[in-house]
Amino acid sequence: DAKTTQPNSMESNEEEPVHLPCNHSTISGTDYIHWYRQLPSQGPEYVIHGLTSNVNNRMASLAIAEDRKSSTLILHRATLRDAAVYYCILRDPNTGNQFYFGTGTSLTVIP
Amino acid sequence: DSGVTQTPKHLITATGQRVTLRCSPRSGDLSVYWYQQSLDQGLQFLIQYYNGEERAKGNILERFSAQQFPDLHSELNLSSLELGDSALYFCASSGGTSGRDEQYFGPGTRLTVT
Repeated sequence: DAKTTQPNSMESNEEEPVHLPCNHSTISGTDYIHWYRQLPSQGPEYVIHGLTSNVNNRMASLAIAEDRKSSTLILHRATLRDAAVYYCILRDPNTGNQFYFGTGTSLTVIP
Repeated sequence: DSGVTQTPKHLITATGQRVTLRCSPRSGDLSVYWYQQSLDQGLQFLIQYYNGEERAKGNILERFSAQQFPDLHSELNLSSLELGDSALYFCASSGGTSGRDEQYFGPGTRLTVT
């Protein structure tokens, strides 16, 4: 299972942008980069995913480095409801697509 | 609401016992995944089923087994329970097995073994 490295924790002020980094230096050409988040006492929730190009959706943006060895999840305006653990995950369609969660980044949003 | 349902929400049982956790995937989803989340191990992938067949195995103990039925719901059976099996058990579903597929997680079953 391909590994990802994320900071254990980050803080952000409310209504400011947040950049959550993820390193995945051993990524293979077929790995998709997925981001999920887990709010307290809930199951993980899909945020965004991409393969090579940057992606945007209503929740966030995903910036993928040109060599794909790192990526950044961008929350454009953090709200208190964004306080969660954010997981960066690589999915390899050649090995069943199961997720291997790391420790994730615990995001604290300061009012 | 992800559309994935899990029952029961909470389960308290004694060591040595056997329990069954149930998961109903989102309508139309063929893949079901089971995960265990404990305080010291984080979220661990256990097993995946696709349209009734086992597709992948992760860190699943031999005391644990699962199956997916023709109506696509899945059950995770945990036997000879130990204190260390106390954890949150999540089920997730996805439409297929592509690397692009998003997984939708249920609310979890909290198992406490005493």
